[in-house]
Amino acid sequence: GESVGLHLPTLSVQEGDNSIINCAYSNSASDYFIWYKQESGKGPQFIIDIRSNMDKRQGQRVTVLLNKTVKHLSLQIAATQPGDSAVYFCAETRPGNMLTFGGGTRLMVKP
Amino acid sequence: SQTIHQWPATLVQPVGSPLSLECTVEGTSNPNLYWYRQAAGRGLQLLFYSVGIGQISSEVPQNLSASRPQDRQFILSSKKLLLSDSGFYLCAWSSRNTEAFFGQGTRLTVV
Repeated sequence: GESVGLHLPTLSVQEGDNSIINCAYSNSASDYFIWYKQESGKGPQFIIDIRSNMDKRQGQRVTVLLNKTVKHLSLQIAATQPGDSAVYFCAETRPGNMLTFGGGTRLMVKP
Repeated sequence: SQTIHQWPATLVQPVGSPLSLECTVEGTSNPNLYWYRQAAGRGLQLLFYSVGIGQISSEVPQNLSASRPQDRQFILSSKKLLLSDSGFYLCAWSSRNTEAFFGQGTRLTVV
């Protein structure tokens, strides 16, 4: 998409605060959504996923919220730590189709 | 368990030289395979994806091509590299409607 050519937006948070990273997806038929974390020089790593029959899913310190009405996905990180500094991508897919990634957000955690 | 291997990790090539990046997947059959490129500080750009042997879809017109000679092998190639081909190349695989798993990436510098 067009967003891949743009510099990544940056979210700067204080260590210990909660972080919220947002993503707008494009296809109303998508039924599976994933958040990835990418550290510098590495490939993206799976964090958490959610299917369209849910609106919230929790992991360890992370929560994903899905609002299908407005096609919005968010990732909440509780008690953000320096090790959470990375680029975060959302991705969407539907059966039989490939994953489509959002443009990404850079999270910077200030000590 | 499934693993993905991508090599080389870094590559410096002169303009006009050929390119071949290889990606192999173990522990699964008939995966969806992807090649992405990521410019510094930017998002993931899908270059090619494949749902089966010999089936390649290209997302953007470019100086690159992809091939899938075997079920779990995905190759990214170029006959003559351009300076603009520099970037971080990522291979990934997924099963139907599951998350994608990424390789560690190849940092290509064309000089």
